[in-house]
Amino acid sequence: AQTVTQSQPEMSVQEAETVTLSCTYDTSESDYYLFWYKQPPSRQMILVIRQEAYKQQNATENRFSVNFQKAAKSFSLKISDSQLGDAAMYFCAYRKGSEKLVFGKGTKLTVNP
Amino acid sequence: DAEITQSPRHKITETGRQVTLACHQTWNHNNMFWYRQDLGHGLRLIHYSYGVHDTNKGEVSDGYSVSRSNTEDLPLTLESAASSQTSVYFCASSEFGQSGNTIYFGEGSWLTVV
Repeated sequence: AQTVTQSQPEMSVQEAETVTLSCTYDTSESDYYLFWYKQPPSRQMILVIRQEAYKQQNATENRFSVNFQKAAKSFSLKISDSQLGDAAMYFCAYRKGSEKLVFGKGTKLTVNP
Repeated sequence: DAEITQSPRHKITETGRQVTLACHQTWNHNNMFWYRQDLGHGLRLIHYSYGVHDTNKGEVSDGYSVSRSNTEDLPLTLESAASSQTSVYFCASSEFGQSGNTIYFGEGSWLTVV
């Protein structure tokens, strides 16, 4: 079964600085999707960024980018120019085709002013 | 705009009562999911459906049921509520081949069983 591991239960960053959240996963598949979701205190699950495994180019969305290392099964999220509104739980997730999302247990990000 | 809505957003119920959480999406997605979120466990899949009249058990399905009579709705029923089912429940939907297979979530339903 696929598993997703987020090894950092909590992280903190100074406002305007850069932070990287780690995620590793285990799968025997070659074609799949990876996601980062943000969950602020409101508990809404918000898509931050997604990556298709067949694409070698790392996905980027404004201040958010990923470092996708397929062979190493690693999918880290980099947040540049951190803002107070970035404070939230961040979940890494894996999906094969139309199957269920498999989530990591999350990383709580604190942004210090 | 298309969306996914859950109701009620907050509910308190008593042990042993039957409870139904509603989920309605307007994207016309075939795939719908119910997750629960508990501290220390992240999000865990309860039930899911790939289309009308299709339902499947997830990893924590005991005590829950779903039915899919149309594309838009996937209600989640707790047959006899237990205190262990106090949680935040998320409904989600997606369509294979659209939007990079992204799953979109509702805002969550907070359920307390006393």
